[in-house]
This record gives sequence, C-alpha cells and structure tokens, in this order.
Amino acid sequence: GENVEQHPSTLSVQEGDSAVIKCTYSDSASNYFPWYKQELGKGPQLIIDIRSNVGEKKDQRIAVTLNKTAKHFSLHITETQPEDSAVYFCAAKGSGGSYIPTFGRGTSLIVHP
Amino acid sequence: EAGVAQSPRYKIIEKRQSVAFWCNPISGHATLYWYQQILGQGPKLLIQFQNNGVVDDSQLPKDRFSAERLKGVDSTLKIQPAKLEDSAVYLCASSFRRAQETQYFGPGTRLLVL
Repeated sequence: GENVEQHPSTLSVQEGDSAVIKCTYSDSASNYFPWYKQELGKGPQLIIDIRSNVGEKKDQRIAVTLNKTAKHFSLHITETQPEDSAVYFCAAKGSGGSYIPTFGRGTSLIVHP
Repeated sequence: EAGVAQSPRYKIIEKRQSVAFWCNPISGHATLYWYQQILGQGPKLLIQFQNNGVVDDSQLPKDRFSAERLKGVDSTLKIQPAKLEDSAVYLCASSFRRAQETQYFGPGTRLLVL
C-alpha cells in the first residue's frame, strides 16, 4: 500500500516568515495529493490539493509543488500569521479504486506573533 | 450548508465497556467514512460506506468494531469491548460521491479508555 512520510513534525516560525512542509510518497501511481489543516478540537479541513498532471498550484498565501520523479510534494505558506498555527497533514491517494487517501503523521506549525 | 455532525464530542469509559459514536453527514453526500486518529498521527480509515453499503472495511478490527449506515444517511460506529489502545479521536467524513476526492470532516469524538 501507499506510505507517506511528512517532515518536520514541528515547525516554529515568526509571524511574516515563510513555512515549508515536505512529504514523500511511495506509490508512483498516486495521482491526487491533498493538504489538510487541523485546528485544536476540530476535524481536518482541506486547504489545497494538487493532481499528478500539475507541477504547482497556488491559492493566495498557500502553494503546493509536486515532483513526480522524486515522489515528493511540499506545502508553502508565505507571510505566516498567528491564525495559521495548526497541525497540517499531507495525503496521497494511490491507484486503487477506493478513493481513500493515506495521510502523513502531521506537522505542528506554530507562528509566533 | 451544514457540516458533518458528530456526537458525543468526548467520551471516557473503562476498558471492556462498550461505546457508540454517531455521525450525520452533509445532506446529499452518498459516501461516508470513519477514521481513527491516534494522538500524533494522521487519520487512518476504518470503514467506507457508499449509501448504505460497505465499500471498504479492510482496516476495521471486526472482532470489536462494528459500523452501520441504515437508510444511507446517519451512521453509527460501535466498539465492544473497548481496549486501552482504542483511545483516539474518531472522525467521520463525507463526500458527494466515491469518485470525488474532497472529503469533509466532522469535529470528531475524542475517546479515552481507562
């Protein structure tokens, strides 16, 4: 099955700095890569996703890049704000037909004012 | 649009007791998922329903976990008997259809087994 590795497990930045979270996946047939933000006491919320036919996608301060050859993808957050503090999960959907993503272990992002 | 509803939000039980969680998906969503999220880890799928039928329950510990989705709307996840290692957040998610990748998660039920 699919295996997703996520780094770092904790990331601490100053407000206004950029934050980068990296993930690698094992199944070369994976074709969908969502990123979720989970705030304390809440369920994960989709913030951005990318498909295997696209190398980069951007939505305001958030961007995701995908390198299919190296089988890794990254989340970039620019001009971080305290409200960006949360746990971020990457996921990869394999080639099977059940449409279930495999999640990374999460990155706790702390943005200091 | 109302989100995915779950109850209870918190539950504390002793090992070997039984517990049940309830989920109401977003109206019109045919696909419903139950995930287990252990502290410090990402969500792990337990079971997936398409309407009232089970699509994938390969990771559900069937000796103690059961789930149903009668009438293809609400769903219940039960643990009987509970073990200490079942302490986790149980997340319910729904999507419009199986082929739609976007899943909408509920707030989860935090279970502590003592």
